[in-house]
Amino acid sequence: SYELTQPLSVSVALGQTARITCGGNNIGSKNVHWYQQKPGQAPVLVIYRDSNRPSGIPERFSGSNSGNTATLTISRAQAGDEADYYCQVWDSSTAGVFGGGTKLTVL
Amino acid sequence: QVQLVQSGAEVKKPGASVKVSCKVSGYTLTELSMHWVRQAPGKGLEWMGGFDPEDGETIYAQKFQGRVTMTEDTSTDTAYMELSSLRSEDTAVYYCATAGSMVRGDPFDYWGQGTLVTVSS
Repeated sequence: SYELTQPLSVSVALGQTARITCGGNNIGSKNVHWYQQKPGQAPVLVIYRDSNRPSGIPERFSGSNSGNTATLTISRAQAGDEADYYCQVWDSSTAGVFGGGTKLTVL
Repeated sequence: QVQLVQSGAEVKKPGASVKVSCKVSGYTLTELSMHWVRQAPGKGLEWMGGFDPEDGETIYAQKFQGRVTMTEDTSTDTAYMELSSLRSEDTAVYYCATAGSMVRGDPFDYWGQGTLVTVSS
């Protein structure tokens, strides 16, 4: 089965750049989506198909995907960016797959 | 704009079944590929299954096969997820989610508000 690996936690200083990785075998060949989830709320899509932002998502959010790693980058991090972030792909054998999630802390 | 409204919280005993509903508005269910995702307390998101538009059938995560059934009532635009043989580890918030399209692998743009299912004796 296909698995996605994320760091449990990432910390970033206010105003600096946070990078959250998502590892998977040849993930560069797949479309990766990223979701933000705040406590008590449903997830919100922040990046789709590797690097596209839905309307309403700030330009500070960007994504990339190559080889065995996809990355969500949050520039000029704000306190409101504190949340859990999940990567997700569709795999031909495992179907819907989520990474384990990364807790972002803004210091 | 798609809106998904789920049924209310449930408390079930071990061994029982639970059926959660997800009412669609803004689109018709036949235009959407509906999926179900759950989240145990303090844990991550877990895809349970959903409609694969390329195969034209509902597929389930291996972990839930034999225990979960996902159905749709197109006359009321309501999707259902039924999980049987409940155990304490099934205590979680259950979400319906959809890409707002019928394209395999599209992201989940729209989510229900979640339904808490508690399994306790």
